[in-house]
Amino acid sequence: GDSVTQMEGPVTLSEEAFLTINCTYTATGYPSLFWYVQYPGEGLQLLLKATKADDKGSNKGFEATYRKETTSFHLEKGSVQVSDSAVYFCALEAGFQKLVFGTGTRLLVSP
Amino acid sequence: NAGVTQTPKFQVLKTGQSMTLQCAQDMNHEYMSWYRQDPGMGLRLIHYSVGAGITDQGEVPNGYNVSRSTTEDFPLRLLSAAPSQTSVYFCASSYKQPFYGYTFGSGTRLTVV
Repeated sequence: GDSVTQMEGPVTLSEEAFLTINCTYTATGYPSLFWYVQYPGEGLQLLLKATKADDKGSNKGFEATYRKETTSFHLEKGSVQVSDSAVYFCALEAGFQKLVFGTGTRLLVSP
Repeated sequence: NAGVTQTPKFQVLKTGQSMTLQCAQDMNHEYMSWYRQDPGMGLRLIHYSVGAGITDQGEVPNGYNVSRSTTEDFPLRLLSAAPSQTSVYFCASSYKQPFYGYTFGSGTRLTVV
């Protein structure tokens, strides 16, 4: 079945460092791909999405490109802030509006 | 405020008790779903609904019931709580088309002792 694999965390960075969180997927066809962010004690918020190959989703300085050849959707940010500390989830649309989530990657940013 | 509202935020149950987790949205979304979040397992789909009167099972439906009598509400019922149902539960909603992704509620943390 469809699945998403994310790098294990936590990812620990200093403020202004470059961030990459890896995400690869297994799916039939070319599903829409998403990144969600969960701040402590809150629900998930949609961060960005891409609906077809080579699409680049972007929001709040975060970017991810839909790579069909490598079945990947890695999340990047050029300069992280302490306020970016959260858990990040990669997800794909598996069938009609059903999302399959990865296990999440915790990001810790220190001043 | 527009969005998905879940109640309660926290709940402790004894094994065998039943309860209902409430979920309401005011965005006129057709699609609603319930997920549970467990450490190291991401989010798993319990039940979902594509409109009033229509529900279906997700990945982990056992021990849970749902109904959708209105577009706004999608309650999740635990029939006889078990310790394995200790988890954080999230309700989510979206438009059917186009699908831009879910809007999530803030969650219900349930502990079964």
